[in-house]
Amino acid sequence: GENVEQHPSTLSVQEGDSAVIKCTYSDSASNYFPWYKQELGKGPQLIIDIRSNVGEKKDQRIAVTLNKTAKHFSLHITETQPEDSAVYFCAARGGSGGGADGLTFGKGTHLIIQP
Amino acid sequence: DTGVSQNPRHKITKRGQNVTFRCDPISEHNRLYWYRQTLGQGPEFLTYFQNEAQLEKSRLLSDRFSAERPKGSFSTLEIQRTEQGDSAMYLCASSPLFNEQFFGPGTRLTVL
Repeated sequence: GENVEQHPSTLSVQEGDSAVIKCTYSDSASNYFPWYKQELGKGPQLIIDIRSNVGEKKDQRIAVTLNKTAKHFSLHITETQPEDSAVYFCAARGGSGGGADGLTFGKGTHLIIQP
Repeated sequence: DTGVSQNPRHKITKRGQNVTFRCDPISEHNRLYWYRQTLGQGPEFLTYFQNEAQLEKSRLLSDRFSAERPKGSFSTLEIQRTEQGDSAMYLCASSPLFNEQFFGPGTRLTVL
């Protein structure tokens, strides 16, 4: 089945700086890659996603890039703000393993924005 | 608010008891998913429905777990003979066909 690795597990950046979180996936058949933000005590919130026919996607301060050849994708947050502090998860879907429509998640990155 | 809702939000039970959780998806979303999340980990896929049909089950879904979506709207997840290892956050998500999955707030289960 699919395996998603996410790094780093914790990331601390100064307010206003950029943050980058990286993920790799194992199944070349995966075709959809969402990113979720999860605050304490809440469910994951979809913040951006990318499909395998696209290399990059932007939404205001957030961007995601995908390298299908290398099987990795990254989340970029620019001009970070205190409200960006949360746990971020990458995920992949559409692989040939079990759960064809279920998402396989990374272990998460705890992003800390230092004021 | 027309998002995914889950009830109860918290459940404490004793080992060996049965528990049932409910998920109400976003209306007109025909796909509904269940995930389990333990502390410090990402959500793990359990099962999903398209309308009332259960199309996929993860190996994580042991025989003590059963999920239903009888009329293609809300869904229930039942755990029989709970064990301490079942303690986790149980998340429900819904989506239109082949599109984004939107998560509910989850039900936190504690098995004593």
